[in-house]
Amino acid sequence: DAKTTQPTSMDCAEGRAANLPCNHSTISGNEYVYWYRQIHSQGPQYIIHGLKNNETNEMASLIITEDRKSSTLILPHATLRDTAVYYCIVRGNAGGTSYGKLTFGQGTILTVHP
Amino acid sequence: DAGVTQSPTHLIKTRGQQVTLRCSPISGHKSVSWYQQVLGQGPQFIFQYYEKEERGRGNFPDRFSARQFPNYSSELNVNALLLGDSALYLCASSLHLTGIYSNIQYFGAGTRLSVL
Repeated sequence: DAKTTQPTSMDCAEGRAANLPCNHSTISGNEYVYWYRQIHSQGPQYIIHGLKNNETNEMASLIITEDRKSSTLILPHATLRDTAVYYCIVRGNAGGTSYGKLTFGQGTILTVHP
Repeated sequence: DAGVTQSPTHLIKTRGQQVTLRCSPISGHKSVSWYQQVLGQGPQFIFQYYEKEERGRGNFPDRFSARQFPNYSSELNVNALLLGDSALYLCASSLHLTGIYSNIQYFGAGTRLSVL
């Protein structure tokens, strides 16, 4: 799985868009980008994933650059409840001993302010 | 629909003891993975089970073991507890073993284990 790099922390005002970057310069052609978040005292929560096209769901949008070396998770109208640690994970369909293995880094602590 | 449930929510043990943590996956999910999350770090993969067979193992000592039952629930056992085993233990379930959707995992709230 490709290594990812995220900023340690970010701040955002409530109601504004939160843009969380992730660098994954060693991503290979069959690897997808997944985003999870972990709100305090809860387990991680899946947000969105993508391969090369931009993706949007009810929670967020995912923008992947054309060279696929970086991506941005966008929360269009951040609320206080979006305060959490956000994890960017790059993973393919490898099996073997890596079945089921999500590799979480340190993630980005997003703090949404009133 | 019920999500992934874990029990107990909190547990206090002393060094050298053994502990068993339990997990019930989302109905219909046959894959269960276990993670350890030490304070201030991201979750670290321990095991994955699918159809009662171990399919993945992380870099953890043999003191850690797990199993999956016919109803797809799972137990994680840790023997000879060390202070460093204090952590949040997370269980996740997924519908698929392989493919891109196997990486969409649904996590429980975890069991917080304190070893004194």
